[in-house]
Amino acid sequence: AQTVTQSQPEMSVQEAETVTLSCTYDTSESDYYLFWYKQPPSRQMILVIRQEAYKQQNATENRFSVNFQKAAKSFSLKISDSQLGDAAMYFCAHYGGATNKLIFGTGTLLAVQP
Amino acid sequence: GAVVSQHPSWVICKSGTSVKIECRSLDFQATTMFWYRQFPKQSLMLMATSNEGSKATYEQGVEKDKFLINHASLTLSTLTVTSAHPEDSSFYICSAIRGLTGLWGGETQYFGPGTRLLVL
Repeated sequence: AQTVTQSQPEMSVQEAETVTLSCTYDTSESDYYLFWYKQPPSRQMILVIRQEAYKQQNATENRFSVNFQKAAKSFSLKISDSQLGDAAMYFCAHYGGATNKLIFGTGTLLAVQP
Repeated sequence: GAVVSQHPSWVICKSGTSVKIECRSLDFQATTMFWYRQFPKQSLMLMATSNEGSKATYEQGVEKDKFLINHASLTLSTLTVTSAHPEDSSFYICSAIRGLTGLWGGETQYFGPGTRLLVL
């Protein structure tokens, strides 16, 4: 069964610093997609970044980047120059054709200290 | 953009009544939409996949007669919680993917803002 594990329930970072959120997954498929979604207190899910498994190059979106290690089944999110607005719950998610649905991790609550 | 709206954002109802939640894709057409449920401080759990013009596909353990889904157009899916009970109180979120093929290959899901349901 496909699973997504986020081992850090809570993280804290100082404003302007860098933080890395961990995510590991388990899948038997070779072709799949990985996502990081942000859920601020408003509870609106916002896409942060998307990675296609067949692409070796790590996805980046402005201050957000991932470290995708396919062999290790690891997909961590790095947030650079953290801002107060980055405070939110972050969910890692996996899509594979076998299940044809998005499997979410349990989330990491990120606090940003001024 | 890819904006998805939900209505209502917040609903309180009495036990035994039915509640309808609407999910609309505002600036794109979506053959496929999804309905999730999220309990406090927990992750999202997929309830069902909604395809325009056909019956929804429900996840194991989700009662299809209790959670009625209708995807009548390419921009609107509705979730009706029938004979709601306090245990149905939760946060319901819909999402949609662009495209008209009805097939999903891992494209980005765009989420609505969610609906908080409280059943008294």
